Amino acid sequence: GAGVSQSPSNKVTEKGKDVELRCDPISGHTALYWYRQSLGQGLEFLIYFQGNSAPDKSGLPSDRFSAERTGGSVSTLTIQRTQQEDSAVYLCASSLGGGRLNEQFFGPGTRLTVL
Amino acid sequence: TQLLEQSPQFLSIQEGENLTVYCNSSSVFSSLQWYRQEPGEGPVLLVTVVTGGEVKKLKRLTFQFGDARKDSSLHITAAQPGDTGLYLCAGRLAGGSYIPTFGRGTSLIVHP
Repeated sequence: GAGVSQSPSNKVTEKGKDVELRCDPISGHTALYWYRQSLGQGLEFLIYFQGNSAPDKSGLPSDRFSAERTGGSVSTLTIQRTQQEDSAVYLCASSLGGGRLNEQFFGPGTRLTVL
Repeated sequence: TQLLEQSPQFLSIQEGENLTVYCNSSSVFSSLQWYRQEPGEGPVLLVTVVTGGEVKKLKRLTFQFGDARKDSSLHITAAQPGDTGLYLCAGRLAGGSYIPTFGRGTSLIVHP
């Protein structure tokens, strides 16, 4: 498709399990971002990729969170030993570059529920 | 503390009314963007403003960037039910990273 896609759209897991969230950015977009959106909290930045490298991972809340990007395209966000406070919508966005005027195109998000 | 404060948090109005949403900060931004997000979807960019005092219009939506580039407003004239959604402002700090900081959003409901 032409837009950013994310899978799965919904994920329900039990506390302590690991989850993987996938993001397919727009073809040709070198910059990729992961955000977390909780009710009433706006978008919380998690990590930024330029190509396959992550020059800014300052938003990852703990070492249980990690992300990788391969081939300058698909990215996977992994959460290990999930906790109930990890429940949120995880949004991925891509842009042509990382400059201040670049438009971010967002995917529909993955809604994660940790029981 | 939130770098970008949006107000009001919630707004419920009737079709045809006017409204203004505010995005305020004590920090200076090199650019500021407004997004609209509908349920189950990601945010969609509405506008980018970069110059202090800049005003941009998008049909019935008017966006203004403050002279000091610390605040912005979104004004909707004659709101329609299709305007319903979560409005988010996002700014990139002057001299800082290109990673945008988002406000918590204003949830708007326009009743027919």
